[in-house]
Amino acid sequence: SQQGEEDPQALSIQEGENATMNCSYKTSINNLQWYRQNSGRGLVHLILIRSNEREKHSGRLRVTLDTSKKSSSLLITASRAADTASYFCAPSNFGNEKLTFGTGTRLTIIP
Amino acid sequence: DAGVIQSPRHEVTEMGQEVTLRCKPISGHDYLFWYRQTMMRGLELLIYFNNNVPIDDSGMPEDRFSAKMPNASFSTLKIQPSEPRDSAVYFCASCRAGELFFGEGSRLTVL
Repeated sequence: SQQGEEDPQALSIQEGENATMNCSYKTSINNLQWYRQNSGRGLVHLILIRSNEREKHSGRLRVTLDTSKKSSSLLITASRAADTASYFCAPSNFGNEKLTFGTGTRLTIIP
Repeated sequence: DAGVIQSPRHEVTEMGQEVTLRCKPISGHDYLFWYRQTMMRGLELLIYFNNNVPIDDSGMPEDRFSAKMPNASFSTLKIQPSEPRDSAVYFCASCRAGELFFGEGSRLTVL
């Protein structure tokens, strides 16, 4: 398995603005997942993008995947205070369920 | 569905005592993971099971740690004897189609 590396480590924005965080990984994958962790809680799955997809949307979330650059981005539009959390990416392969996580991006939404 | 259930949610114990953390995965999920999270080391994968069989325990820090999964609906993580450096939040997660579902964690403090 491999873990992704999120960037930036921390991000603070005003409520209503868009937040973008990035993920880089090292070896080939067939899917990449994003998870959110609110303070003191377990991680929650947000979205999965497959290697044959370039972009995927889910509500206010937009994820992109560039397999040639081995990178992904997560965009949260019209941010809300409730989006304050840490966000983790998890590059993975179907059939190899071992998922490991990096240090995440800590997002703070300022009301 | 009740989700992944962990107990206890909080445990305070003294160095040298045995600690047992428990997890009930989501019914029908055939993978189960144990993670440990600290500020210093982030989220570490300790061990994972497939169909109740341990697949990879390379993340278990030392022999003081052991994990079992006697059946599809129950797993334990045991630390004996516990040490102050074991203080962390321990998460259990079960997996369906590559997506992890986390419990709320067990916060362990070893004095």
